[in-house]
Amino acid sequence: AQRVTQPEKLLSVFKGAPVELKCNYSYSGSPELFWYVQYSRQRLQLLLRHISRESIKGFTADLNKGETSFHLKKPFAQEEDSAMYYCALSGGNYGQNFVFGPGTRLSVLP
Amino acid sequence: DGGITQSPKYLFRKEGQNVTLSCEQNLNHDAMYWYRQDPGQGLRLIYYSQIVNDFQKGDIAEGYSVSREKKESFPLTVTSAQKNPTAFYLCASRSANRGQPQHFGDGTRLSIL
Repeated sequence: AQRVTQPEKLLSVFKGAPVELKCNYSYSGSPELFWYVQYSRQRLQLLLRHISRESIKGFTADLNKGETSFHLKKPFAQEEDSAMYYCALSGGNYGQNFVFGPGTRLSVLP
Repeated sequence: DGGITQSPKYLFRKEGQNVTLSCEQNLNHDAMYWYRQDPGQGLRLIYYSQIVNDFQKGDIAEGYSVSREKKESFPLTVTSAQKNPTAFYLCASRSANRGQPQHFGDGTRLSIL
């Protein structure tokens, strides 16, 4: 069965500090991993996906198949990064099985 | 994404009443999803549909019903059997191709009068 865990419900860091939001998954096949972000009073939006290997708003995430992890990192947090972050996994032959983690609320303090 | 429209933004339900939440997409996506979001509980899947005229129950389907008569539309009915309907409801869609993400609407907030 597919499962995504995000061990921290709430993560608080100071502005300018590095931030790492943890995501671990369990899936027997080859997964597609995503990070979504939900800013206050805005819709849930895609932040990045592992197949793109991109950096969005200074965030990066590397898929580690050995550790079954897809942690989200940013070297210097900004106050506008405060939001709810969800890790998601897509599996199945057509990626039809989509599973979201419980989410981590990031609070960047001034 | 501007391609997914949920309406209304706010909805109030009386006891014993069924209400229907609308979700329309113009992204030509095959798959559509309904989630419920409660404070501190993340996203929980209610129903999903991978193709027109077909849909499957998610983790919390009891008290809800859906239809998928058109590719672009996936309405969700919250029935009177749903005893705790107050929540934020999110609709999403995605292309059937592997590796494609879900795209979300703005959501509908349902409250009980």
